[in-house]
Formats: sequence, structure tokens, C-alpha cells
Amino acid sequence: KAGVTQTPRYLIKTRGQQVTLSCSPISGHRSVSWYQQTPGQGLQFLFEYFSETQRNKGNFPGRFSGRQFSNSRSEMNVSTLELGDSALYLCASSRNFLREWVDGYTFGSGTRLTVV
Amino acid sequence: GQQLNQSPQSMFIQEGEDVSMNCTSSSIFNTWLWYKQDPGEGPVLLIALYKAGELTSNGRLTAQFGITRKDSFLNISASIPSDVGIYFCAGHVASGTYKYIFGTGTRLKVLA
Repeated sequence: KAGVTQTPRYLIKTRGQQVTLSCSPISGHRSVSWYQQTPGQGLQFLFEYFSETQRNKGNFPGRFSGRQFSNSRSEMNVSTLELGDSALYLCASSRNFLREWVDGYTFGSGTRLTVV
Repeated sequence: GQQLNQSPQSMFIQEGEDVSMNCTSSSIFNTWLWYKQDPGEGPVLLIALYKAGELTSNGRLTAQFGITRKDSFLNISASIPSDVGIYFCAGHVASGTYKYIFGTGTRLKVLA
């Protein structure tokens, strides 16, 4: 059974550019959540999608956005990149929205974004 | 952002020793999860706890859901080199946002 797939694994971008990261959840999982992980701030919740709708949103600026497609794949976009956006971006999937606590999340390996 | 207090921040132990770490919060949680993250990878779920006082084992790992519902503990017995990594707790917030709050992580290093 394939796990959560995130692409690309590594990315280097310049300040001011924008970036799109992709996440394919486990087959049958319909809820996708995104987290930002940095050494100083740990794992910070970005947003959660279910049935192509954003269900929850963390405390991040509007430069961070996402979407989910009908096949449950999700993308997140960061516009006008800043140096502080350098982080490991993790995607996690679960079977259903509001039931993550039953199974917990399954995380992907992440996309390491470096902004220079 | 909101985080759980996890301690210790890091540990250096000898192979074969037992390890204990914990998470505390000022908020009540209805679920606690423990994850392990290897370098360059995403966190992997180790143990899930759903009831106050619950004690659950997964091989050499044992975790407990605190009675007050504001803390959780993870113990690793007879550590081995592959236990190296970062251990995270996560508490599920019983509020309208329905999301997990993660601990700051405990970095474990095992000396052979």
C-alpha cells in the first residue's frame, strides 16, 4: 500500500518567488493536512482539506494557500517567498475529516524548501 | 503557534538503558499520539491513546494518557541504536478547529 507521496523532495527558491508543493494521500484517505516544520518552531499546522474544501486553517499569512482536487490530491502554494519560509513542509493524510483522532495522521517524507 | 511542552529536549543514553519522556499542556486533550521522526523523513505514528489513564504498549514502547488529560508519557525500554530520532507528542484539541497540537520534540541519541 503506497504511503503519502510528496513532491518534490527538495526545492531551492529565491526570495520573492512563489512555489507549489504537491501531496498525494494514501489511497482511500480523503483528508489532507499540511504542516510547516522548522527547528525553532517545531511542527506548525497550516491547513486541512477534505472534499476539496478547506476545513481548518492555522495562523499563517495569506501568502500560504492550498487546494484539494477531486482525487484527494492536494497542493499548497506559497507566494512572495521570504527567507523565513525555509522549512520542511509535511503533508499528512487521514481517512476522514473529524476522525483523525481515531487513526492519527500518516505523514509523507516532506518537501525541504530552501529560500535564498 | 501553539505547542505542547515536551521534555527533555534531548537525551544521550547508553544502549540498553530505558528512556522516559513526557508532554504537558495547560489544555485538556481527548487524544494523545506519539510519533518518531528519522532524519529527512516525516513523523511515523508509534502509539495512540484515547482515554485518560490508558496505558498502551507497542513492543519496547509504552505510553500513558495522564489522568488529568493534560499530560502523556512515553517510555522506551532497553534502547537500541535504531531508536535514535526525534520523538513528538501530539494532542488532539477538542474544539471547533479539530486539529493536532504537536510537542517541541525530544531528540534521542543512543551511544553504542
